[in-house]
Amino acid sequence: ETGVTQSPTHLIKTRGQQVTLRCSSQSGHNTVSWYQQALGQGPQFIFQYYREEENGRGNFPPRFSGLQFPNYSSELNVNALELDDSALYLCASSLGLGDTPLHFGNGTRLTVT
Amino acid sequence: ILNVEQSPQSLHVQEGDSTNFTCSFPSSNFYALHWYRWETAKSPEALFVMTLNGDEKKKGRISATLNTKEGYSYLYIKGSQPEDSATYLCAFQPPNTNAGKSTFGDGTTLTVKP
Repeated sequence: ETGVTQSPTHLIKTRGQQVTLRCSSQSGHNTVSWYQQALGQGPQFIFQYYREEENGRGNFPPRFSGLQFPNYSSELNVNALELDDSALYLCASSLGLGDTPLHFGNGTRLTVT
Repeated sequence: ILNVEQSPQSLHVQEGDSTNFTCSFPSSNFYALHWYRWETAKSPEALFVMTLNGDEKKKGRISATLNTKEGYSYLYIKGSQPEDSATYLCAFQPPNTNAGKSTFGDGTTLTVKP
């Protein structure tokens, strides 16, 4: 059983640039959720994709966008990067049903300078 | 905005001590409460999913209880070991959602000293 993998592990970008983060979901999982975790805080829900469609969004501006592919892997894109976007970005896959728990990747650490 | 609070923020204990920490959540509109353990340099790992008031779940030396009427869950670790050092996150899942849309607390970071 393949776990959730995220790439890259670390990334440094300049304010105003664009970034794409990638997530491969666990085998058989059709739902991917993305989170932003700032230092000292819990993960904040960005959005969720289910079978290639956005299935809910947290309180994040439109410059945060995503995609899910037919193999259920997913991308998080952030345009016009701001300093406050510096954070750990986590993705988690699941079956998207009821209370089945999440399977997380190790995260991508994004630093915006 | 749902308020999910965890206390304490951090905890330092000696090996062998037993410890517990709290997750507080809205007592209305409850569906499930998740606990995750997050070790440094690893990914968060699911510990428990709790759904029924009065639930008690156990995994080895770790157990959790749930009180949905008053809106809290306790996580207990008996005889802490250095390998228990991690951040413990709780996540509140309202009805008509899935676990991915849960609201997370800020976590309790446990350090167990040998």
